[in-house]
Amino acid sequence: GNSVTQMEGPVTLSEEAFLTINCTYTATGYPSLFWYVQYPGEGLQLLLKATKADDKGSNKGFEATYRKETTSFHLEKGSVQVSDSAVYFCALTSQGGSEKLVFGKGTKLTVNP
Amino acid sequence: DAGVIQSPRHEVTEMGQEVTLRCKPISGHDYLFWYRQTMMRGLELLIYFNNNVPIDDSGMPEDRFSAKMPNASFSTLKIQPSEPRDSAVYFCASRPSTGLYEQYFGPGTRLTVT
Repeated sequence: GNSVTQMEGPVTLSEEAFLTINCTYTATGYPSLFWYVQYPGEGLQLLLKATKADDKGSNKGFEATYRKETTSFHLEKGSVQVSDSAVYFCALTSQGGSEKLVFGKGTKLTVNP
Repeated sequence: DAGVIQSPRHEVTEMGQEVTLRCKPISGHDYLFWYRQTMMRGLELLIYFNNNVPIDDSGMPEDRFSAKMPNASFSTLKIQPSEPRDSAVYFCASRPSTGLYEQYFGPGTRLTVT
């Protein structure tokens, strides 16, 4: 079935550093891809999404491009802030339909001032 | 929009007791999902409903867990009897039947079983 592999954390950066969190997937068909963010003590929130190859999702300075040739959806941000400290989850729609999402294990990001 | 509402936010109970977690999805959303999050296993889908009907409960760990959705605006997840290994954060999420399948999560219930 469909699956997601995310780079293991934790990731610790200084403010204004460049961020990349790698995400690769295995899927049949053409799944939709998502990045969710979970701030401390809260539920997951959708950060960005892409529905077809070469689509770029973007939000709050974060970007990710749906790369079918490399089956990847890496999350990037040019200059991180302390407020970006959170856990980031890559996800895709499940095989055989889009009712379920398959989540990666999450990557914890800490940004220091 | 109030978002997905979960109660209680925190629950501490003793082993063997019954625990009931509650969720109110976003109005108009046809799908409701229950997840469990732990450090060891990450985020796990327990069960989901479509139009109040359970569709897939393959993630429910064992018979001690049960979930119901008596109407479109309310769902419960019950654990009876509870065990210390059930300690986790339980999330409810909902989504509409149209759109790009993104799910909207509640704030979670942190359950501690002693």
